[in-house]
This record gives sequence, structure tokens and C-alpha cells, in this order.
Amino acid sequence: DADVTQTPRNRITKTGKRIMLECSQTKGHDRMYWYRQDPGLGLRLIYYSFDVKDINKGEISDGYSVSRQAQAKFSLSLESAIPNQTALYFCATSGRGRDTGELFFGEGSRLTVL
Amino acid sequence: QKEVEQNSGPLSVPEGAIASLNCTYSDRGSQSFFWYRQYSGKSPELIMSIYSNGDKEDGRFTAQLNKASQYVSLLIRDSQPSDSATYLCAVNPNDYKLSFGAGTTVTVRA
Repeated sequence: DADVTQTPRNRITKTGKRIMLECSQTKGHDRMYWYRQDPGLGLRLIYYSFDVKDINKGEISDGYSVSRQAQAKFSLSLESAIPNQTALYFCATSGRGRDTGELFFGEGSRLTVL
Repeated sequence: QKEVEQNSGPLSVPEGAIASLNCTYSDRGSQSFFWYRQYSGKSPELIMSIYSNGDKEDGRFTAQLNKASQYVSLLIRDSQPSDSATYLCAVNPNDYKLSFGAGTTVTVRA
């Protein structure tokens, strides 16, 4: 089984719908992240969490919200999806300090908003 | 100015040649630097990390860091078709999060 698991792997939805992407990990890491990847733009950070009580906005948090339900679970929600949120979404985990740079990624969730 | 910039490529090299990838960053206080490899349709995976000026070698990969020039590079020696992927440069400007470049796509021609 993968250390970082994302569900769903693929989702097609319509404008205005609420979508939740879920992430769970068995790495035992405190730090979890949600990234979005678009062609030509690389990986952009949406939200990050250093523990259950610590949630921080990344560079592109508008239109998104997150919930850290437990150390191992971090979900991303799109309250009202719009077409420009069509992208590949990655959840990732890391350790602390210098280990922050070593991210372990899930397999990705491809979201299409029509 | 983007925090991390890479040549977008694509970079095409013949099998057995050296592939050279470049990356510049804007935050002079950055202390940690990373190269990730991402195969098409897959998630990124860490292949190299470097923290001090100079070269760091790991198998066929060499990372080079020059903090004064705010420049980090990755050399892939004896390139193989299996090296065909997108390479992402990442910089850790603080203890909190990584900033990624847009990636350079490498194609190794057999």
C-alpha cells in the first residue's frame, strides 16, 4: 500500500458543485501539504498543516479550504468548483527541519470542472 | 519575479550524453535545495538534495550549488531513456515550505 493515499484519483464535476479530496498517510509525519499542478506552472502550494491544530494558507488558497481531521488525514475542499480549478492535485507529507524539503507525494487527484 | 526559475525545455539529449539542468532562485536566505523527478502521469520523487556550496554526486546525478550566484544545477551523466522525465527544482527559503520551479522536461533519444 502507498504511504500517502489520495481519493478520488479522478473526478469530473460541474461548476458550482462542492468537492472534497481526501488524503491519508502512514508515514507518521506531522506536516502535510496540498499542492496544485498546472502545465507550465509547476507545483503551487494551496494549504499546509504542521499538526492537527495548525493550518496555514499557501500561495493560492482562494476558493479552497482544508480540514486536518487527525495527524494522518488532511482533506481539501472546493466549496463551489469553477473551471479554472481543473488541475492535478497532490497531497504530500514531510518531516521537520531540514527534512521539510523531502516531500512524499500521493499519486495525485485529477479534477476536471466542467 | 518567480521565486524559483528553470529553463522550461524541453531538453533533448542523445543516450549516453550529459543532460544539464539549471535553476535560479530569488531568496538569498535559502538554505536547502532539492531536485525532484516526475515521470509523466506520476507524482514527483526526490532524487537529490544539496545544502552547501559545491558539488554533490549520487550515482549518475550531480547537483551543483552556488549560493552567491543563487544558482543550482543538476547534471545527469550517461543519460538513459529511463531518465526521460520532468525535473523540478525546489528551494526551501525557510523551515516551512518548498517553492518549486515549473520544471524542465528531458527527453533522452535512444
